[in-house]
Amino acid sequence: DQQVKQNSPSLSVQEGRISILNCDYTNSMFDYFLWYKKYPAEGPTFLISISSIKDKNEDGRFTVFLNKSAKHLSLHIVPSQPGDSAVYFCAASDRGVSYGGSQGNLIFGKGTKLSVKP
Amino acid sequence: DTAVSQTPKYLVTQMGNDKSIKCEQNLGHDTMYWYKQDSKKFLKIMFSYNNKELIINETVPNRFSPKSPDKAHLNLHINSLELGDSAVYFCASDDRRSNSPLHFGNGTRLTVT
Repeated sequence: DQQVKQNSPSLSVQEGRISILNCDYTNSMFDYFLWYKKYPAEGPTFLISISSIKDKNEDGRFTVFLNKSAKHLSLHIVPSQPGDSAVYFCAASDRGVSYGGSQGNLIFGKGTKLSVKP
Repeated sequence: DTAVSQTPKYLVTQMGNDKSIKCEQNLGHDTMYWYKQDSKKFLKIMFSYNNKELIINETVPNRFSPKSPDKAHLNLHINSLELGDSAVYFCASDDRRSNSPLHFGNGTRLTVT
């Protein structure tokens, strides 16, 4: 039973355009959401996060939007660069509820492979 | 370099063997984890230790035993390896005091033949 879903296994975008990666979740207890980026043969690296009390968080070219009523979040990358080509994982946590606030019990989606073409 | 490092990077072994994967973090974090990425690409938590104390133990066969000699190390020992144990295992750490994001190692690809 997938609590975090990334329904697009892959996405191809032209350099300079916007990349939009989507993520849906089912557990209304989730209160913290993260995006991780993963290159081949490396571990996932943290990209950006958002708390459930916000609906937007921005960091440079990366913006995460959260729609709690729809249980949906998205990652926007503008402008996209070839170096952004990687697998992007959405993750969620109910850190306020379980495990004493640790965000480590993250529930991950299956990832979306982004390819940015020059 | 400050990082989460795990060894070996690749591990090929036969069914029935016992193997260990080591993990060390020099980030000063107080919590360490083992995650498993299976053939369907799902990343799922297996164990978590906070200051050497087990705090998360998901439904994992008891052939898997984590060992934390100190808060900078979390090793994973697997007994009687089975074909279904083939996966990529990621070590990770974070710090509950500072609410730092989870930092992952580069993974150990385990292949059981």
